[in-house]
Amino acid sequence: GDSVTQMEGPVTLSEEAFLTINCTYTATGYPSLFWYVQYPGEGLQLLLKATKADDKGSNKGFEATYRKETTSFHLEKGSVQVSDSAVYFCALTRSGGSYIPTFGRGTSLIVHP
Amino acid sequence: NAGVMQNPRHLVRRRGQEARLRCSPMKGHSHVYWYRQLPEEGLKFMVYLQKENIIDESGMPKERFSAEFPKEGPSILRIQQVVRGDSAAYFCASSPPGATGELFFGEGSRLTVL
Repeated sequence: GDSVTQMEGPVTLSEEAFLTINCTYTATGYPSLFWYVQYPGEGLQLLLKATKADDKGSNKGFEATYRKETTSFHLEKGSVQVSDSAVYFCALTRSGGSYIPTFGRGTSLIVHP
Repeated sequence: NAGVMQNPRHLVRRRGQEARLRCSPMKGHSHVYWYRQLPEEGLKFMVYLQKENIIDESGMPKERFSAEFPKEGPSILRIQQVVRGDSAAYFCASSPPGATGELFFGEGSRLTVL
C-alpha cells in the first residue's frame, strides 16, 4: 500500500539556519504530494503541495520539489525562525483513488533563538 | 468564513463510558475525514464520510467505534465503552466536492480516559 517515510525528529536548529526535512514515498501511479504543519495545540494546516513530477511547491519561505526518480519531496527553508517551531507532516494522495491522504509520522522542528 | 469546528476540545471519560466527538465542516464542504493522533505517532486515518454515506472506514476499529454524517448537523465520531488506549487527539478534516487531497483540519478533540 501507499506509505510516507519522514526523517525522525526532533530537528533542533538555531535561528537563521538552513532546514531540510526528508520525505520519501511509496505509491502506485502519480500521487499528489503535500506538506502540512501543526503548531502546538492546533490542527494541521496545508503548507505547500505539488501535483506532478518536477513541480515545486512553495509557501512562507518553504519549498519542496516533487522528485519522481527518487520518490522524494524534501522540505527546505533557507533561514528558519523561532516561529517555525512545529511538527511537519508529509502526505500523499493517489490519483484515481478516493483521495484519502496518507500521512508520514511527522517531524518535530525546534528552533532556538 | 468559519473553519472546521470540533467540539468538545477536551473530553474526560472514565473507562466504560461513551465519548461523542462532533465536527462541523467548512461551509460548502461535503466530505469529512476523521484521524487519530497518538503521542509520538503520526496521523492514522479512521473514516471518510460524505453526507449520509460512509465512503471508507478501513481505519476504524471494528468494535466500539462508529461514525456518521447526517443530512443535517455535524459529523459524529462515537466511541462506546472507552478504554485507556482510546486516549488520543481526534482530528476532523473536511474538503469540498472534487478536491484531490487538500484537507482543512479542525483543532482536534483531546480525549482522556481515566
